[in-house]
Amino acid sequence: KQEVTQIPAALSVPEGENLVLNCSFTDSAIYNLQWFRQDPGKGLTSLLLIQSSQREQTSGRLNASLDKSSGRSTLYIAASQPGDSATYLCAVKGGTASKLTFGTGTRLQVTL
Amino acid sequence: EAGVTQFPSHSVIEKGQTVTLRCDPISGHDNLYWYRRVMGKEIKFLLHFVKESKQDESGMPNNRFLAERTGGTYSTLKVQPAELEDSGVYFCASSQDDDGLSYEQYFGPGTRLTVT
Repeated sequence: KQEVTQIPAALSVPEGENLVLNCSFTDSAIYNLQWFRQDPGKGLTSLLLIQSSQREQTSGRLNASLDKSSGRSTLYIAASQPGDSATYLCAVKGGTASKLTFGTGTRLQVTL
Repeated sequence: EAGVTQFPSHSVIEKGQTVTLRCDPISGHDNLYWYRRVMGKEIKFLLHFVKESKQDESGMPNNRFLAERTGGTYSTLKVQPAELEDSGVYFCASSQDDDGLSYEQYFGPGTRLTVT
């Protein structure tokens, strides 16, 4: 059974800092991994999708890496801004099923 | 292009009543998923439709939950009778046909269900 863990559970950083969010999964037989952000009371916004054959994906100030063999992914946010404050969720898609298995998320607060 | 929409955004019902949630996926997306988050826990998968067929319903908690997708367009999720532990946020997501490739899932804003 796939389990996804995200560390840290919460993080507070001053504006302008670079930061890394971590995601680990127990079963390395994944199809892809998706990072989302969720604002309070809102739905999930897809940030990046990494296929199992890829090592990283970039979108603007975001960079996500994937090390499938070790069961890890990181989301790097450069030059953080207060607007980045949200909960960040990592989810993996298994090798034989389309469903996503989610982590519990990292709640990020970027302060002025 | 419109995203995934869900209705209602919030529903408050009493234990024992029935509630029906609706999801409209992105136009042209054959895959439709239901997920839910209860009691501050992680989001968990409920079921997956491919067009009008249930591809995977391994996450449905019990037979009080019934999902349909007649015609392969919008989907409904009915909870009958509702119990207190059904309270949570129900998310719907859709994606394009995989066809050997892997597409990202797009999520709706969720329906917050409160059972009192």
